[in-house]
Amino acid sequence: GAVVSQHPSRVICKSGTSVKIECRSLDFQATTMFWYRQFPKQSLMLMATSNEGSKATYEQGVEKDKFLINHASLTLSTLTVTSAHPEDSSFYICSAKLRLNTEAFFGQGTRLTVV
Amino acid sequence: AQSVTQLDSHVSVSEGTPVLLRCNYSSSYSPSLFWYVQHPNKGLQLLLKYTSAATLVKGINGFEAEFKKSETSFHLTKPSAHMSDAAEYFCVVRPLLFGNEKLTFGTGTRLTIIP
Repeated sequence: GAVVSQHPSRVICKSGTSVKIECRSLDFQATTMFWYRQFPKQSLMLMATSNEGSKATYEQGVEKDKFLINHASLTLSTLTVTSAHPEDSSFYICSAKLRLNTEAFFGQGTRLTVV
Repeated sequence: AQSVTQLDSHVSVSEGTPVLLRCNYSSSYSPSLFWYVQHPNKGLQLLLKYTSAATLVKGINGFEAEFKKSETSFHLTKPSAHMSDAAEYFCVVRPLLFGNEKLTFGTGTRLTIIP
C-alpha cells in the first residue's frame, strides 16, 4: 500500500509554545488529508478534513484557531497546535487518500506531550 | 448517521486458538466496513475491507470478516492466534456514498495473546 509519513513521531514542548506536525504522502498525491486525535485507550476522533489548496473543514467542537491546518501541496499537510497546553497532550494521526472513495492510508502518528 | 459498536474492549486468547472480535454497525446508507490494527504508538494498518462485493472478506495475516446485513455485524476472526497479533483493533464504517469520506471508528478492542 501507499506510504504516509508523519514527523515528528514524538515531541515534547512547553506550555504556551506552538508545535507543527507534518504529514506527507510519499508515493502518491493526496487530494484529501485527515487529522485525528486519539486519547489514551480511546478511539480516533476526526478533527478536520483538508483538501489541497482550500481551507480545512473542522469537526464540531474543534477550535480552528487552536489547531491550524495547512494543505499547501498534494503531498504535504501540516497541523500546528498553537499555544499548547497540557490538555492538548495526545496522539495525533493523519491519513491521506488519492481521491474520493479510495482507501485512506494512515501515518504512524505523533505523540505530543505538553509540559 | 453512522455508528460502530465494538462489543468487547478487551479480548484475551491463548496462542494457537481462534480469535473473534465483534463489531456491530449502523448506517443510514449501505456501508463500507473496515478493520484496522494499531500496534503500540504506531499508526493504523488496514487489515481488510468490505465494499458491497463478497460478504466474506479475507485480509492480511490470516484475518477474515463476514458482513451480515441481517445482523448488522462485521465480526473479525482468525483461526489461530499468533503472539504478533497482540494489538488494538478498530472496526470502522463509512457510508458507501460518493463524496462522503468520513470514517467513524469504534472504541477499539485490545487483543492480548497468552503464550
